Amino acid sequence: IAGITQAPTSQILAAGRRMTLRCTQDMRHNAMYWYRQDLGLGLRLIHYSNTAGTTGKGEVPDGYSVSRANTDDFPLTLASAVPSQTSVYFCASSEASTGELFFGEGSRLTVL
Amino acid sequence: GQNIDQPTEMTATEGAIVQINCTYQTSGFNGLFWYQQHAGEAPTFLSYNVLDGLEEKGRFSSFLSRSKGYSYLLLKELQMKDSASYLCAVRDGDYKLSFGAGTTVTVRA
Repeated sequence: IAGITQAPTSQILAAGRRMTLRCTQDMRHNAMYWYRQDLGLGLRLIHYSNTAGTTGKGEVPDGYSVSRANTDDFPLTLASAVPSQTSVYFCASSEASTGELFFGEGSRLTVL
Repeated sequence: GQNIDQPTEMTATEGAIVQINCTYQTSGFNGLFWYQQHAGEAPTFLSYNVLDGLEEKGRFSSFLSRSKGYSYLLLKELQMKDSASYLCAVRDGDYKLSFGAGTTVTVRA
């Protein structure tokens, strides 16, 4: 079944540790996105990539980095996790021309 | 950036109609989306408006007025399964999608 796969589904992490959330899509979409979702704040864009080889900063990029080496993969890295990064992280992709976002199932991250 | 406002919560009775309003302020506009999100799940696409007017899709309709920076999502013949959060999102000129905080709709029997 075509779609977006995120891993891990859930993770508890000690503060200061490095963590990479993986995201893979098989729909050959050009654009990919990382959002975090927090209660009362909705979905906030962290980083995005309009096409392989390019990335951009969203609304809340600090403490996060991304790479887009190919069309399918868009990993999100927390270099040194802090408790405020406790959240649910959603990866999404879209064909830029249509704009509809397809979301992965989310990764729940807890930083202690 | 985008400023997107929608009510936090709404409650309605099964079989009724509910209208969720969304207002936005943006320097670039490339369409407005509505998504549905059930608790613990990923958002799923409901509707897309880029021109003024009403888009109807079954029990759900979405309206857009670009001059007023206003949209609404209309849910008719409410069913218990419609209890969810409804997210208004605006796409800017760079094709980035910004979301409102979401409206939690509770359908009561």
